[in-house]
Amino acid sequence: DQQVKQNSPSLSVQEGRISILNCDYTNSMFDYFLWYKKYPAEGPTFLISISSIKDKNEDGRFTVFLNKSAKHLSLHIVPSQPGDSAVYFCAASALGNQFYFGTGTSLTVIP
Amino acid sequence: DAGVIQSPRHEVTEMGQEVTLRCKPISGHDYLFWYRQTMMRGLELLIYFNNNVPIDDSGMPEDRFSAKMPNASFSTLKIQPSEPRDSAVYFCASSLYGTSGGAYEQYFGPGTRLTVT
Repeated sequence: DQQVKQNSPSLSVQEGRISILNCDYTNSMFDYFLWYKKYPAEGPTFLISISSIKDKNEDGRFTVFLNKSAKHLSLHIVPSQPGDSAVYFCAASALGNQFYFGTGTSLTVIP
Repeated sequence: DAGVIQSPRHEVTEMGQEVTLRCKPISGHDYLFWYRQTMMRGLELLIYFNNNVPIDDSGMPEDRFSAKMPNASFSTLKIQPSEPRDSAVYFCASSLYGTSGGAYEQYFGPGTRLTVT
């Protein structure tokens, strides 16, 4: 059973606009969350993380929001750029043990 | 550092054959993970090692899959016999637990695309 879910397989956004990628989880023990970005024929690369003691973490154009009561996190990219076109995976772990990944959302930023 | 190295990048084999995937983690990392990526299930953790010792292999689909880490710089994932449903991209990742600014961050290799016909 998927403990981390990304219900949108794909998303298209105009260049310069905001991209919002969503992720839901079921395990209330998860205390650390990450977003990875993956280009074709490459392995995923770490993008941004957030601990459960926070509700927001920002790094340049990327911001991750965590809503623990809803068991939901989101990644905001502002402004979106064509180079952001990739597959984005969210991942979660409990107490530093194994990570559970979602199925990914394919983002296309249209120039 | 060259990052996590995986070989081969592509493997095409016939059903029933043995397949061995190889991984060299980043030097100094003490955790190594094997994942399988499929469209339906995304990235699934198969097994992970800490200091060369298997910690959790509950994700290994069945006895046809086995993984070893004979030393800190090398790991293998073996499928014997292979089946068409094993076709997927297999990733190896490594991490150094608790590094500042990147605690729990895993570094992935480029993956091995396996096709079993």
